[in-house]
Amino acid sequence: QIQLVQSGPELKKPGESVKISCKASGYTFTDYAMHWVKQAPGKGLKWMGWINTYTGKPTYADDFKGRFVFSLEASASTANLQISNLKNEDTATYFCARGDNLDCWGQGVMVTVSS
Amino acid sequence: DIQMTQSPSFLSASVGDRVTINCKASQNINKYLNWYQQKLGEAPKRLIYNTNNLQTGIPSRFSGSGSGTDYTLTISSLQPEDFATYFCLQHNSFPGTFGGGTKLELK
Repeated sequence: QIQLVQSGPELKKPGESVKISCKASGYTFTDYAMHWVKQAPGKGLKWMGWINTYTGKPTYADDFKGRFVFSLEASASTANLQISNLKNEDTATYFCARGDNLDCWGQGVMVTVSS
Repeated sequence: DIQMTQSPSFLSASVGDRVTINCKASQNINKYLNWYQQKLGEAPKRLIYNTNNLQTGIPSRFSGSGSGTDYTLTISSLQPEDFATYFCLQHNSFPGTFGGGTKLELK
C-alpha cells in the first residue's frame, strides 16, 4: 500500500541545521509531487511548499524562502527537507504529503529547537 | 493567501449524533476543498477530497458538501473512533491553506 515513512525526532540548538527525510513506497515516486507541511505546537497547519519529484524543482511558500531546502534522492524514493540556522520558532512537527491533493501523509517528524 | 475560517473550534457530541463542521474561504475556491481527520500523534487522514468525494476506505457516514466559499463536513452518526480533530484544506491556489481545526470531543 502507499506509505510515506519519515525519519525520527530531532533535538537541535538554535543556529544548527537539520535534515529530515520522507521515504515513499507503494507507488511510482516520480508520478506525484511531494509537499511539506508544518504544524507548530498549539498552532494550525501551514503549507511550506512542494518539490516536483520528476524534475527536482522546488517551490516555496513565502514564509519558507531562504532557510528551507527541499531535495530528492529519487533513486531511493526519498524526499528531504533541510532547515538551516534553526530558530526557536522552527519547533514543530513537519509532515510530507503526496501529490497536489495531499492524499497520503507521512507520520510527521517532531523537530525541537532549544538551547 | 486565501484564508480558511473553520467552525466550530471545539465540538462536544455523543455517539450516534449527527455533526457538521464548516469551512469558509475568503474567496471562491472552486470546490478544491479537502477534509482530514487527525488523531494525536498520527498522520492526518484524508476523508473527503474536492468537496464531496469520499476517500476509498472511509465510511459512508462521512460526507462533504459546498461550493464557492462555503463548505461542510457531516458525520451522520458518530462512532467512538470518530472523536478526533478535523481540518479542511483549500488547494485551489498556492499556497494551500488550512482551516484552524475542530476538536471533536465526547460529551
